[in-house]
Amino acid sequence: DTGVSQNPRHKITKRGQNVTFRCDPISEHNRLYWYRQTLGQGPEFLTYFQNEAQLEKSRLLSDRFSAERPKGSFSTLEIQRTEQGDSAMYLCASSFTRGGLAGSNNEQFFGPGTRLTVL
Amino acid sequence: AQSVTQLGSHVSVSEGALVLLRCNYSSSVPPYLFWYVQYPNQGLQLLLKYTSAATLVKGINGFEAEFKKSETSFHLTKPSAHMSDAAEYFCAVSVVKGDTGRRALTFGSGTRLQVQP
Repeated sequence: DTGVSQNPRHKITKRGQNVTFRCDPISEHNRLYWYRQTLGQGPEFLTYFQNEAQLEKSRLLSDRFSAERPKGSFSTLEIQRTEQGDSAMYLCASSFTRGGLAGSNNEQFFGPGTRLTVL
Repeated sequence: AQSVTQLGSHVSVSEGALVLLRCNYSSSVPPYLFWYVQYPNQGLQLLLKYTSAATLVKGINGFEAEFKKSETSFHLTKPSAHMSDAAEYFCAVSVVKGDTGRRALTFGSGTRLQVQP
């Protein structure tokens, strides 16, 4: 399978604990996105990488959240001191943009998500 | 800023009936538009996309959508519903974010399609 993979698929944690999720994008994709999806809503953008550079963070991404993409391949999303409001599905997507052109049609391919439940 | 409105959080049709899921968008610049489908506990799968070429777009699984600029709409249709079409459907709009080059995806809140036997 050469699609986007995410691990773990499910995570249950207690309030106050730290959690880390991993995303492995499609291998040749240079852009990687994190989204959060709460029940009954569409995904909301969290952050975006072009290769290893984190170019943008949404206002939804509080200082308890940190994301990395150290070698421009896989990415991790860490949530520190989790709160019940962090319970959601965390989706990763990747895309390929040739030559870094803005405006190119970078179709995003989504992973299956990590469902986080904070007790 | 761009936004998407999906009319009807739940739509129920009979098997074999026409499927119509409504999407209206708001964007200050020409948008790209997408429909994604999500099955329970799965990620999103692209059904079809409009990228400023033909206004009638055909996608996978017999779905199609028509971009109507005058109505700012991008409704999703399928002539004959199948039981396997039962899922959550999301409309999304995409515009270029100038400073980072990111083509931001803004999603609607989704429409759950039920197909009755």
